[in-house]
Amino acid sequence: EAGVAQSPRYKIIEKRQSVAFWCNPISGHATLYWYQQILGQGPKLLIQFQNNGVVDDSQLPKDRFSAERLKGVDSTLKIQPAKLEDSAVYLCASSLSGDRQPQHFGDGTRLSIL
Amino acid sequence: AQTVTQSQPEMSVQEAETVTLSCTYDTSESNYYLFWYKQPPSRQMILVIRQEAYKQQNATENRFSVNFQKAAKSFSLKISDSQLGDTAMYFCAFRGRGGGADGLTFGKGTHLIIQP
Repeated sequence: EAGVAQSPRYKIIEKRQSVAFWCNPISGHATLYWYQQILGQGPKLLIQFQNNGVVDDSQLPKDRFSAERLKGVDSTLKIQPAKLEDSAVYLCASSLSGDRQPQHFGDGTRLSIL
Repeated sequence: AQTVTQSQPEMSVQEAETVTLSCTYDTSESNYYLFWYKQPPSRQMILVIRQEAYKQQNATENRFSVNFQKAAKSFSLKISDSQLGDTAMYFCAFRGRGGGADGLTFGKGTHLIIQP
């Protein structure tokens, strides 16, 4: 089974620029998550989708971050404009529906803000 | 809101030794899941072991086992016969069971180093 695919693997931009990350979940996984992992910390949930609907975005900085999953499959996370504190690894995870289902993670995108 | 605390930033043991990583958490929920994830330098989070709070029996997966103390809100991971490939960051994580929102809450992690 193919895993969660993320791209790009690395991204370097200057502050105030915009950036987008892409995630393709495991086939058939209805639930998709985006996490932000700042260096030296554990991942923090940004947003959870169930199919193409948002379940939880309480920790998403909505003034600069946005995410969509229009067709209920792949997803895009965007930052506009980027700040220095957005430097982090952005992890995507997916799972089947149901609370007994484990989350499967991608390799993440490492974002560096200059 | 839930919190997860890992008080050991780094641990180092010799190959083949047994090591225990500590985790405590705080929640007002009675039903939930607890996890240990491994994150090697490749960055991918790999599930090591899972415990359901309503189960009194401690979970085990080969060389990995947990000591789950629900009343104390403690969830430690024991790695037996440690191997060089166990070197990684280890994260303790909590997941509630209510309302559909089931994102993980992670601790800050423990960097485990297995010395040859």
